[in-house]
Amino acid sequence: DADVTQTPRNRITKTGKRIMLECSQTKGHDRMYWYRQDPGLGLRLIYYSFDVKDINKGEISDGYSVSRQAQAKFSLSLESAIPNQTALYFCATSEGQGSNQPQHFGDGTRLSIL
Amino acid sequence: GQSLEQPSEVTAVEGAIVQINCTYQTSGFYGLSWYQQHDGGAPTFLSYNALDGLEETGRFSSFLSRSDSYGYLLLQELQMKDSASYFCAVPLGQGGKLIFGQGTELSVKP
Repeated sequence: DADVTQTPRNRITKTGKRIMLECSQTKGHDRMYWYRQDPGLGLRLIYYSFDVKDINKGEISDGYSVSRQAQAKFSLSLESAIPNQTALYFCATSEGQGSNQPQHFGDGTRLSIL
Repeated sequence: GQSLEQPSEVTAVEGAIVQINCTYQTSGFYGLSWYQQHDGGAPTFLSYNALDGLEETGRFSSFLSRSDSYGYLLLQELQMKDSASYFCAVPLGQGGKLIFGQGTELSVKP
C-alpha cells in the first residue's frame, strides 16, 4: 500500500463546481503539503500544515482552502472551480523540523475543469 | 524572494554522464534538494546538500557551492530509466516548505 494516498486519481468537472481532493498518509508524519504542477512551472505550494491545529498559506492559495482533519488526513477544496485550476495536484508529507527532511509525495490527482 | 533556474531540457546517450545545473536566489539558505519525477508521477527525493561539496549516492551525485549560489546533479552511467524530470528545490526557512525549480527534462537516448 502507498504511504501517501490521494483520491481521486483523476477528475473532470465543470466550472463553478465544488471539488475536494483528499490525501491520507500512513507515515506518521506531522507535516503535510499540497502542491500544484503545471507544465513548465514545476511544483508550486498551495497550503501546508505542520500539525493538526496549524494551517498556512503557500505561494498560490487564492481559490483554494484546506482542512486537516487528523494527523493522517489533509484535504484540498476548490470552492468554485475555474478552468485555470486545471492541473496536476500533489500531496506530500515530511517528518520533523529540519530543512533536510525529504518530502514524500502521493501519486497525484489530475484535475480537469471544463 | 526565492527563485531557482535550471535548464528546461537535457539530452544524453545511454552510458554517458550528464550534469543538471541549478542556480538559486534566496533570502536565507538552508540547503538544496533534488527530486526525480517520471512521466507526471510522484516526485521522489534524490539528495540534499547543506554544505559545500559533493555528495555521492550510487550513480547519482549532487554538488553545492554556497558562495556561487549554485548546485548540480550529476548522473553517471546513464540508463534509459533515468529519462525523467529533475527538480532542484530550496527550503523557505527551516520549516521544510520547499520552493521548486521549473524542472529539467532529461532524455536518455540509446
